[in-house]
Amino acid sequence: QLQLQESGPRLVKPSETLSLTCTVSGGSINSNNYYWGWIRQPPGKGLEWIGSFYYGGSTYYNPSLKSRVTLSADTSKTQFSLKLSSVTAADTAVYYCARVDQLELRVDPWGQGTLVTVSS
Amino acid sequence: DIQMTQSPSSLSASVGDRVTITCRASQSINNYLNWYQQTPGKAPKLLIYAASNLQSGVPSRFSGSGSGTDFTLTISSLQPEDFATYYCQQGYRTSLTFGQGTKLEIK
Repeated sequence: QLQLQESGPRLVKPSETLSLTCTVSGGSINSNNYYWGWIRQPPGKGLEWIGSFYYGGSTYYNPSLKSRVTLSADTSKTQFSLKLSSVTAADTAVYYCARVDQLELRVDPWGQGTLVTVSS
Repeated sequence: DIQMTQSPSSLSASVGDRVTITCRASQSINNYLNWYQQTPGKAPKLLIYAASNLQSGVPSRFSGSGSGTDFTLTISSLQPEDFATYYCQQGYRTSLTFGQGTKLEIK
């Protein structure tokens, strides 16, 4: 059974770069037919897609975050990462990594999520 | 971006009730519409994909319908574990967008 787990610093200072890693178990990110991506949820608010990539192929970013976001894949094929630069308090959120089906773009499964707080 | 609008934003209902949540897309998305359930402190869980297909393991009291711009999620007989927040998401474009959520509360 495929499982995803986010890891990284829980507290980031304003203007610095938020960095998270997603570790995939029970499969690999070079699987056919799937994108891999990040979604976030500010406390008490809704879901916001950050970006997705296809291993060895294209990467797609939310236009509102594109200038600050970088997604990358590890050569181990079991990890991928998110970097979000120049963070502010508005970037405080639970960050989820997830697999995205290439056809219907359904998001499943999700990682459990990790709360990242931006504060000095 | 394709905008997704859910209604209502919140809903009070009782165990055993039939409830319907609506999701409207700002343009036609054919049947590329997915529904999720989120309980407090948990990641969203996929319920319905491609508008009307029940994800494996999801109870049959959940159903989805619609195409084009208008979609519905129906719970035929509410159970205590169904009180949660529900989100729709368009799968028509790789730039994914979600509805703002519908919070289903116990009356």
